[in-house]
Amino acid sequence: AQKITQTQPGMFVQEKEAVTLDCTYDTSDPSYGLFWYKQPSSGEMIFLIYQGSYDQQNATEGRYSLNFQKARKSANLVISASQLGDSAMYFCAMRGYNTNAGKSTFGDGTTLTVKP
Amino acid sequence: NAGVTQTPKFRILKIGQSMTLQCTQDMNHNYMYWYRQDPGMGLKLIYYSVGAGITDKGEVPNGYNVSRSTTEDFPLRLELAAPSQTSVYFCASTGTQDYEQYFGPGTRLTVT
Repeated sequence: AQKITQTQPGMFVQEKEAVTLDCTYDTSDPSYGLFWYKQPSSGEMIFLIYQGSYDQQNATEGRYSLNFQKARKSANLVISASQLGDSAMYFCAMRGYNTNAGKSTFGDGTTLTVKP
Repeated sequence: NAGVTQTPKFRILKIGQSMTLQCTQDMNHNYMYWYRQDPGMGLKLIYYSVGAGITDKGEVPNGYNVSRSTTEDFPLRLELAAPSQTSVYFCASTGTQDYEQYFGPGTRLTVT
């Protein structure tokens, strides 16, 4: 079984500040991938960042970084220097590579609002 | 590449009607997915496929059927539509070596 939990339904951040969006997960798969997606009000899904379960270093992509703590089963997204265009819904997701090969699970999302 | 295409973009169904949502990808991806997204909520996996001829249930498969006769196509069938199936439906695909899922633009379905 796979489960993703995002406990922050909504978050506010001041423009140019950093913000952390929380994500915890549970899986029986020994090998898996963790993902973050952004969904603006227009509705499309935009891939942000990926972390493999065996990756030693935390993933970074521009202003996005993933704080991966395997023992705690957490995969928090950090957005640095927030911009107004970052206002959107953010989803944490995972995909299994062994027992649940291919199966994908999304969290309920966090709505981020960036204030000017 | 067109990526992942979905048709139709919008559809209104009456209760009890049936329809097929089409999904096609031109990236030769093994994995394909159908999700539904209710307003303000996350994506719920309906069905997924790890290759042609292989499909498996996700979290919310009741009321839906799928088939995967080719690598490219993964249609979703709704039988006996119910108001609870009013949602936005996303199709997605990914390759074995890919990280991200590539999403289609979605189909907004209303059942009245």
